[in-house]
Amino acid sequence: EAQVTQNPRYLITVTGKKLTVTCSQNMNHEYMSWYRQDPGLGLRQIYYSMNVEVTDKGDVPEGYKVSRKEKRNFPLILESPSPNQTSLYFCASRRNDLGQETQYFGPGTRLLVL
Amino acid sequence: QKEVEQDPGPLSVPEGAIVSLNCTYSNSAFQYFMWYRQYSRKGPELLMYTYSSGNKEDGRFTAQVDKSSKYISLFIRDSQPSDSATYLCALDSNYQLIWGAGTKLIIKP
Repeated sequence: EAQVTQNPRYLITVTGKKLTVTCSQNMNHEYMSWYRQDPGLGLRQIYYSMNVEVTDKGDVPEGYKVSRKEKRNFPLILESPSPNQTSLYFCASRRNDLGQETQYFGPGTRLLVL
Repeated sequence: QKEVEQDPGPLSVPEGAIVSLNCTYSNSAFQYFMWYRQYSRKGPELLMYTYSSGNKEDGRFTAQVDKSSKYISLFIRDSQPSDSATYLCALDSNYQLIWGAGTKLIIKP
């Protein structure tokens, strides 16, 4: 079954304590991305990756890091979380074959930073 | 001004009605246009993907793009209670996606 998995699904942490949210896809997609979703603001892209070792900033990259050492994994790292990073986070992968677009989103990670 | 504007709703219509959802955008660089459905506590699900002005149909869903007016629409025919969800538009420019805030749709049985 094609899927994007994220862990953990729920996380409560304190300001400044480094954390990593893992993301893994099993479709061999080259493109992966991270979003945060906040009420009234919709989704905002944090980082995206076109392929292994290729990452680019999205709309709101401040306070986040990513890495893409292998195609299936794209972890999101918060080196020093702050309360304004409390949000719902989604990882996604996508593939476009001659105009046929396929996208999969993970189930989301709900993060609370105290 | 936001790059993508979308009325948050909620939009409430009776079962069987035709639903019209819309987004406007300001940057003409956007080349690809998408509509997603998101159920509560779930990730978004891609419904429609278009890259040119005009209409694209898939079952009960029709996506319409008017690049000259910077206006995109999603029509849902014969709406069902299971269509109740939040619908998000997203615009793609060189793989950077900019999203609307989403419209909450309620289909009343």
